[in-house]
Formats: sequence, structure tokens, C-alpha cells
Amino acid sequence: EVQLVESGGGLVQPGSPLKLSCAASGFTFSSNWLNWIRQAPGKGLEWVASINPDGSSTYYPDTVKGRFVVSKDNAKNTGYLQMNNLRSEDTAMYYCARTPHWGQGVMVTVSS
Amino acid sequence: DVVLTQTPPTLLATIGQSVSISCRSSQSLLHSNGNTYLNWLLQRTGQSPQPLIYLVSKLESGVPNRFSGSGSGTDFTLKISGVEAEDLGVYYCMQFTHYPTWTFGGGTKLELK
Repeated sequence: EVQLVESGGGLVQPGSPLKLSCAASGFTFSSNWLNWIRQAPGKGLEWVASINPDGSSTYYPDTVKGRFVVSKDNAKNTGYLQMNNLRSEDTAMYYCARTPHWGQGVMVTVSS
Repeated sequence: DVVLTQTPPTLLATIGQSVSISCRSSQSLLHSNGNTYLNWLLQRTGQSPQPLIYLVSKLESGVPNRFSGSGSGTDFTLKISGVEAEDLGVYYCMQFTHYPTWTFGGGTKLELK
């Protein structure tokens, strides 16, 4: 059974960093892309990052480019999303996903 | 960038009624390999999105056959033939033909009339 479990969320102040983790199981992690999607409270879904299977290529929308860094450790079957210089508009539930499976999400709140 | 426009934003239905949701793309979602990577998701209240349909019309494992998907190019439709209470929530179309960018529609909230 495919499982994706996010962790590392919480309440942080504007300008702070935060690193999310996504522990994967039930599939060959090293052969798959990993994606991060977020959902602000009461809003729709927004793609925020993707990384290719061997971790050599990463992709971001303009809204987070230069602030977020996606990575994966294939030896640990774990993906990461390093978020820097967080803003109030980054407040959201963050999901990791590997088509078609999604994790349960982790909440990130950016507030002073 | 690809934009997916879903209509209607809200759908009121009675149990047993058949309903349809439209998803229109600003660009063709036909990939050069012949596949069209248009999926449908359902997000129930307080839950993460769950996959319903992939490649326009293929049902994910365990999804009831009252759900069906159709369309091509830029116009796609999700149909529920006989709404059940467990179908309530927000439906999203999404594309990754233009990978690695994932694009989502704005969502359609299905509620009981």
C-alpha cells in the first residue's frame, strides 16, 4: 500500500524558515517524481514544487521560486521541502503527492 | 501557463440526481505521446484530495462506476450518475500534460439541495 506521510509543520513568524518532510512507502521512491501542493484555508489547490526521480532537476512556480527548495533522499525514501523567508500568504496545508496518491497534509501557519 | 476553468463553482443536487461538472483548459491537454493527462479529484471536508479519474476517463481503483469522465483537447466533463451522500465535497480537475507544472481547476463544491 502506497503511503505518504508529511511532518514538520507548525506556527512560525514571517521571515522564518521551515522544513517539511514526506516519508514514502509502498512504491519505488527512487524511480518516481515527488510533488508538493498546498491549500490555503478555504481556498483551492496550488502546485508548489516538483523533483525528478534522481533529484537532479527541480521545478517551482513563480510564487515560491527562490524561497522554496525541494529535495529527496532516495536512500531514506523521504522527500523534503525547505521553505525560507516565509510570508503570511504561505499559510496553508501542504501535501506531498506521487500521482495518484496524496499524503494527509501538514499545516503551516505564518504569523507574528 | 495553462489555466483550468471549472463550472459551476457550486452544484446543488438531490440524492439520486445525475450531475455534470465542466473543466475547460486554456491550452490543449493532448500530450505529444498521445495521452491526455487530465485527472479528477474529490476532496471531502477535512480530508486530503483523493483521485477519481485519470487520463480523462479511466476510473481509479475502487471508484464507483457512477463516476465517468469524458472530453478531449480543451473541454472535459465529469459526470456522476446518481449522486450519493458520500459524493459530497469539492471536485477538482487537474492537468500534468504540461509537466512538471501541475495545474488545478478552481473547484466545484457539490452540496445537497
